[in-house]
Amino acid sequence: DIVMTQSPDSLAVSLGERATINCKSSQSVLHRPSNMNHLAWYQQKPRQPPKVLIYWASTRDSGVPDRFSGSGSGTDFTLTISNLQAEDAAVYYCQQYYKTPLTFGGGTKVEIK
Amino acid sequence: QLQLQESGPGLVKPSETLSLTCTVSGGSISSTFYYWGWIRQPPGKGLEWIGSIYYSGITYYNPSLESRVTISVDTSKNQFSLKLTSVTAADTAVYYCARPAVTGFPYNWFDPWGQGTLVTVSS
Repeated sequence: DIVMTQSPDSLAVSLGERATINCKSSQSVLHRPSNMNHLAWYQQKPRQPPKVLIYWASTRDSGVPDRFSGSGSGTDFTLTISNLQAEDAAVYYCQQYYKTPLTFGGGTKVEIK
Repeated sequence: QLQLQESGPGLVKPSETLSLTCTVSGGSISSTFYYWGWIRQPPGKGLEWIGSIYYSGITYYNPSLESRVTISVDTSKNQFSLKLTSVTAADTAVYYCARPAVTGFPYNWFDPWGQGTLVTVSS
């Protein structure tokens, strides 16, 4: 299985500041023939299902504010939330879809300071 | 707009079988070529992929659960189902059904998701 390790477990960020979440995979999720990283990011708020924010490591889903950005390749990935808003308080998960079993990171809780 | 809705008992006794159904509305399981999935989330914990099924019945399971899991599809009812046998307290979780974003490919991210249903394993 590909193990997804997120860091930190939680962070508190002031409104308008930047939040950075890291995700490391135990093996590369870069599909070399297509040069695409099989990595998605989700946001989950209490009592709601996860909502996809980013896929292919850096492609924002439709309607996702541009303050959310994804970067990285191979085994190391980052989700950055710029200009943090109150509604961004949530838990964030990364997921690899390079191979089955599909696996998720343990989650990072973002709180407003 | 595609919607998914989980249904089934909220309480299951230890050693018994958990059975859930996902009803799809706003689109047909049989005329679209997706691998429909089940994912679970224990209270306060992270997400675990259980498995996925193609409209034709092809399945992929998480090896950690494969010996206890069966996922099936009923295209006439536009539903797919999950059975998990010999449950223990460790199987207590919110169970989500979800559709992957890309057709014909089991290796996918999921969008959309159902709202989820809490299943508690307790005597």
